[in-house]
Amino acid sequence: GAGVSQSPSNKVTEKGKDVELRCDPISGHTALYWYRQSLGQGLEFLIYFQGNSAPDKSGLPSDRFSAERTGGSVSTLTIQRTQQEDSAVYLCASRPTGLSNQPQHFGDGTRLSIL
Amino acid sequence: DQQVKQNSPSLSVQEGRISILNCDYTNSMFDYFLWYKKYPAEGPTFLISISSIKDKNEDGRFTVFLNKSAKHLSLHIVPSQPGDSAVYFCAATRRTGANNLFFGTGTRLTVIP
Repeated sequence: GAGVSQSPSNKVTEKGKDVELRCDPISGHTALYWYRQSLGQGLEFLIYFQGNSAPDKSGLPSDRFSAERTGGSVSTLTIQRTQQEDSAVYLCASRPTGLSNQPQHFGDGTRLSIL
Repeated sequence: DQQVKQNSPSLSVQEGRISILNCDYTNSMFDYFLWYKKYPAEGPTFLISISSIKDKNEDGRFTVFLNKSAKHLSLHIVPSQPGDSAVYFCAATRRTGANNLFFGTGTRLTVIP
């Protein structure tokens, strides 16, 4: 479809392993966001990409988290040396431009479980 | 520090009645507010928004009210339908910088047929 696509939909891995989560935004959307939702919590901002500008990484909880966006389209969120507290649903959203009067459109998320 | 709060984790209403979902925020710099609806195993879906220059925005059965002095907004759904049963998230942002959204913890609405 034409929505934000995320993969995998579910990921189970052992503590200490690295994981990569992928987001394919809506075509033409220049703004891309990563959020996570831990159990019983609201969505928590992680990182923001806008065009070719340097990303806003202010929401990343530790240096084990990193993200990149290649060619202004697909983004990958990487978590190194996963911990049990990293278990959450990771959501990606995109928006047509950097202007805030347009809503963000979300993918269905990746449910990450760290054993 | 939770800048957006939804103090009611759940709400049940009869089909056809009004549903009122509430949201409070603490950051006076927020100037754009949104409501998202979320079904299980799906991402949040945008529902309705309001700018801080307005106090009301209406879209069909959905109306959002903003009271800036009280730092409070509410979502009214009239009439409520069983298909409205979902988790509703309130979100707020500033129109400068990253425009990342600050979310509340959600309210689970159940509309009883």
